[in-house]
Amino acid sequence: ETGVTQTPRHLVMGMTNKKSLKCEQHLGHNAMYWYKQSAKKPLELMFVYNFKEQTENNSVPSRFSPECPNSSHLFLHLHTLQPEDSALYLCASSRTFLATNEKLFFGSGTQLSVL
Amino acid sequence: DQQVKQNSPSLSVQEGRISILNCDYTNSMFDYFLWYKKYPAEGPTFLISISSIKDKNEDGRFTVFLNKSAKHLSLHIVPSQPGDSAVYFCAALTQGGSEKLVFGKGTKLTVNP
Repeated sequence: ETGVTQTPRHLVMGMTNKKSLKCEQHLGHNAMYWYKQSAKKPLELMFVYNFKEQTENNSVPSRFSPECPNSSHLFLHLHTLQPEDSALYLCASSRTFLATNEKLFFGSGTQLSVL
Repeated sequence: DQQVKQNSPSLSVQEGRISILNCDYTNSMFDYFLWYKKYPAEGPTFLISISSIKDKNEDGRFTVFLNKSAKHLSLHIVPSQPGDSAVYFCAALTQGGSEKLVFGKGTKLTVNP
């Protein structure tokens, strides 16, 4: 099993739907991240959790709501999204957030389409 | 304003030849740089990194060069193999700073057999 697992792999939702993305890491890491990758744009950091506490919210609209019940699980709750929110959403983890040389381990992502 | 720029969206190279992927940055406070590789339908995976105290770091077929005065780094792959075909992301951060990794848009490398 890969270190960081994301479900679902693909999601199509209408603008009035509510859905959740799930991420689970089996690496014993303490920091987890949500990134967004839009077409022809750099990876954008959305949220960071370090030891289950949110340490970063990168000016993300409130229609995206993260949840980190423990160090191994991370959710991204979605509601009333817009078509421009269609993107690849990547979860990542690292041993800690503030350790300088920590590599990020990414999941395979959820390809989200908002109709 | 993009702080990490990968100006070539794509690069095509013949198998066995050298692949050179370039990355420029604008923030002089960046002092640690990483390259990630991404295959289709997979998440990015760490490839190689370099600290600003060095100007070169080598790992097998992969070498990263850093030119601090030019705010430029490059990834060399020698010899290139078809399995190297992927999107390569350059990323940078300031150690001891906000710790946010800033990514470039990526360069799609195609290695032709």
